[in-house]
Amino acid sequence: AQKVTQAQTEISVVEKEDVTLDCVYETRDTTYYLFWYKQPPSGELVFLIRRNSFDEQNEISGRYSWNFQKSTSSFNFTITASQVVDSAVYFCALSEETSGSRLTFGEGTQLTVNP
Amino acid sequence: NAGVTQTPKFRILKIGQSMTLQCAQDMNHNYMYWYRQDPGMGLKLIYYSVGAGITDKGEVPNGYNVSRSTTEDFPLRLELAAPSQTSVYFCASLAGEYTGELFFGEGSRLTVL
Repeated sequence: AQKVTQAQTEISVVEKEDVTLDCVYETRDTTYYLFWYKQPPSGELVFLIRRNSFDEQNEISGRYSWNFQKSTSSFNFTITASQVVDSAVYFCALSEETSGSRLTFGEGTQLTVNP
Repeated sequence: NAGVTQTPKFRILKIGQSMTLQCAQDMNHNYMYWYRQDPGMGLKLIYYSVGAGITDKGEVPNGYNVSRSTTEDFPLRLELAAPSQTSVYFCASLAGEYTGELFFGEGSRLTVL
């Protein structure tokens, strides 16, 4: 069975600090997909990234970067030079090849960036 | 660009009442999902569908029913509402397996009193 753990329930930082959100997953499949979603205070869910299990290259998109390590079953998300607009709940999610594209979400990490 | 449209956005039900949450997508996506999000929690999958006429249970299907008579629509039926069903419900769609992001609706906030 697939499982996603986001151990950090809440993180609070001051603007311009770097912050890393942790995500650890469990799966028996060799082919799987990992996702990050952002949920701002307005409530909608915004897709950030999708990564498949065969691509361990780290990804950078502006101030966002993702570190995928199969050896530790982790897919961590770093925001560099955080801004107040980054305040949101961030969800990590996992989809196994055998699960028919059903995503299992972690419990989420509430990030608050203070001015 | 409508995307995924959910109605209603807010609803208050009394215990024992029934209702249907509507979900429609105009992207011709085969895969559709219903998730619920309890306060301060992640999303739990209720039901999903991989195409018209095909539905299957997710993690938390008890108390709900779905149908998928067309590609566009995926309504979620709550029978005999209970306080435990107070939640925000999200409908989502996906073009095909592993093709990319889930497109979410804006959510429907349901309160059962």
